Amino acid sequence: AQTVTQSQPEMSVQEAETVTLSCTYDTSESDYYLFWYKQPPSRQMILVIRQEAYKQQNATENRFSVNFQKAAKSFSLKISDSQLGDAAMYFCAFHAYSGAGSYQLTFGKGTKLSVIP
Amino acid sequence: GAVVSQHPSRVICKSGTSVKIECRSLDFQATTMFWYRQFPKQSLMLMATSNEGSKATYEQGVEKDKFLINHASLTLSTLTVTSAHPEDSSFYICSADGTAAGVNEQFFGPGTRLTVL
Repeated sequence: AQTVTQSQPEMSVQEAETVTLSCTYDTSESDYYLFWYKQPPSRQMILVIRQEAYKQQNATENRFSVNFQKAAKSFSLKISDSQLGDAAMYFCAFHAYSGAGSYQLTFGKGTKLSVIP
Repeated sequence: GAVVSQHPSRVICKSGTSVKIECRSLDFQATTMFWYRQFPKQSLMLMATSNEGSKATYEQGVEKDKFLINHASLTLSTLTVTSAHPEDSSFYICSADGTAAGVNEQFFGPGTRLTVL
């Protein structure tokens, strides 16, 4: 079974500054994907960024980038030039074939990010 | 593209009644849909995996007779909470399996807040 650990229940960042959210995972799978989701107060899950495990290059999406360390099973999210709209819960998620005909997501417990004006 | 809707967005019911929540993939077909439950300030907990035309697969600890799932078409899955009780009050989120940029991904609905009085 896969596990995803987010060790920071809450984080805060000054507007325009940079913040890094941590995530580690445990798996015996070799083929998988990793995601960061944002859940704002509306509670709609929004995909922030994805990383395919077979790709060595770290994914980037505008102000969002990841530091993927496969050997260490680490997948941190860096948010640059933080904006007030970045305030939300952030969930790290592991995505792999479940063996029952579908892929399944395993979520971490989340990190609540506050952005200070 | 890849939009998932849920209806209703919010429902209040009396204890002992049944409530049906619909999950629709609006612009794509989804062989597999997932149902999650989320308590306040907690992560998403997978309840069941729903495959079109077959019985849902429930996670350990989820009562299949209480949470009835039907996936009758490639665009619709329903979750019926039978004989609801106050402890069933929660936020229910569905997702649909799809593909984006060649990567298998889950697309999330906006969620349904269930309150049982």
